[in-house]
Amino acid sequence: NAGVTQTPKFQVLKTGQSMTLQCAQDMNHEYMSWYRQDPGMGLRLIHYSVGAGITDQGEVPNGYNVSRSTTEDFPLRLLSAAPSQTSVYFCASSYSDIGAQYFGPGTRLTVL
Amino acid sequence: GENVEQHPSTLSVQEGDSAVIKCTYSDSASNYFPWYKQELGKGPQLIIDIRSNVGEKKDQRIAVTLNKTAKHFSLHITETQPEDSAVYFCAASTGTASKLTFGTGTRLQVTL
Repeated sequence: NAGVTQTPKFQVLKTGQSMTLQCAQDMNHEYMSWYRQDPGMGLRLIHYSVGAGITDQGEVPNGYNVSRSTTEDFPLRLLSAAPSQTSVYFCASSYSDIGAQYFGPGTRLTVL
Repeated sequence: GENVEQHPSTLSVQEGDSAVIKCTYSDSASNYFPWYKQELGKGPQLIIDIRSNVGEKKDQRIAVTLNKTAKHFSLHITETQPEDSAVYFCAASTGTASKLTFGTGTRLQVTL
């Protein structure tokens, strides 16, 4: 198993550009989440999904969109990037509502 | 919403000594408390977790204790080794593992 994979590893955007951060897992996990990590602030939940076709907002959802068309994939879209979205983004998945979360290696995003 | 506070922010111990990291949470409905270890450039990795119906859990050199009345939980690492050096995060959830609220992290340095 590859576990949770994320692409790209690094990305630089200009203000106003759009992009999609990819996340995939091969563990057949129903639950998937997106977090952002900023210095001194830990990880904050952006969006999460409890299964294909079902998504909900987390603590900091503004400026981000998600969809879940398959169990394996959970992409995060930035429609109009802003410097405040400069961060490291982590995707995670878990097999159940009360199971351990497994994190991907992260995407480091810089918005100029 | 849930708020998790973590102390200390940095901790330096000598190899072989014990390390203790403490977290408090605000939502009395929280019932799942995982601890993650994050090495430089990598995603967080679950090292131990505890649920609200258990007061203590051990796994070799690592233990976690939970005091529901006081709403705090702690990570204990005994016989520390240089490879324990990393950033450690506590987290809390009201039951949905995909909706974790994280503490701000503790950078642990184990010196020879």
